[in-house]
Amino acid sequence: QQQVKQSPQSLIVQKGGISIINCAYENTAFDYFPWYQQFPGKGPALLIAIRPDVSEKKEGRFTISFNKSAKQFSLHIMDSQPGDSATYFCAASRRTGTASKLTFGTGTRLQVTL
Amino acid sequence: ETGVTQTPRHLVMGMTNKKSLKCEQHLGHNAMYWYKQSAKKPLELMFVYNFKEQTENNSVPSRFSPECPNSSHLFLHLHTLQPEDSALYLCASSHGTGQSNEKLFFGSGTQLSVL
Repeated sequence: QQQVKQSPQSLIVQKGGISIINCAYENTAFDYFPWYQQFPGKGPALLIAIRPDVSEKKEGRFTISFNKSAKQFSLHIMDSQPGDSATYFCAASRRTGTASKLTFGTGTRLQVTL
Repeated sequence: ETGVTQTPRHLVMGMTNKKSLKCEQHLGHNAMYWYKQSAKKPLELMFVYNFKEQTENNSVPSRFSPECPNSSHLFLHLHTLQPEDSALYLCASSHGTGQSNEKLFFGSGTQLSVL
C-alpha cells in the first residue's frame, strides 16, 4: 500500500515556466510534509517543508500548497531554471519518539529546457 | 558536502560474493538509516539505528545485515544477493529526536549491481 502518491513521474518545463508536482497522502497521522531534491549522483536533500496547520509556504521560487481536507499537497517552482533539473520527492512524516520515519513518494524527474 | 560519506560509490558483485557498504557521518547525529532506491519506486526504509540500537527493520531479507558500532558509523553487510537487489543504497543520519520535523541528511549512495 503506497501511502504517498506522487505525480507526474516526469516533467519537462521551459525555462521561466512554472513546474508543478502533486502528492496525496492517506494517513491522517502524518503531520509534517517535506520535499527533497536529488541531483544525479547525489543523495536527496531537504528543499522545503510544511505543517498541515498552514495552507502555503514559500521560500524563494519554491512554494508548497497544502489542502488538508483533500489530503493533498503540491510543489510549485516559479521561474524554473535549468539548474532546477533534478528528481523531486514528496514525503510525509509523523512523530515516532525515536528516529524519523519518512514515507516517500515515487519521485518526479524534472527537466528544465532552455 | 552533506557530512555523510558513503563508500564505495559503485559496487559490482556476484551472487555468491560477500561485500560491505560503509557509511560515516560527521554531524554529531544519533540516528542513522539505510534506504534502498530503485527506479520508479519510493525510497524504501530498510533499517534505523538510534543511539546504536536498531529501532526499525522493515522486513528486510536476512541477506542484508546491518551493523552500527557507534553513532558515527553504519555498515550494511551483503551476502548471497539476488539481481533484483541491484539499486542505489542510501545512508542518512538525523538528530534522532523522533520529532516529525526531523531533517534527514543523505549520503551520495552506493550504486550496487548484482550479476
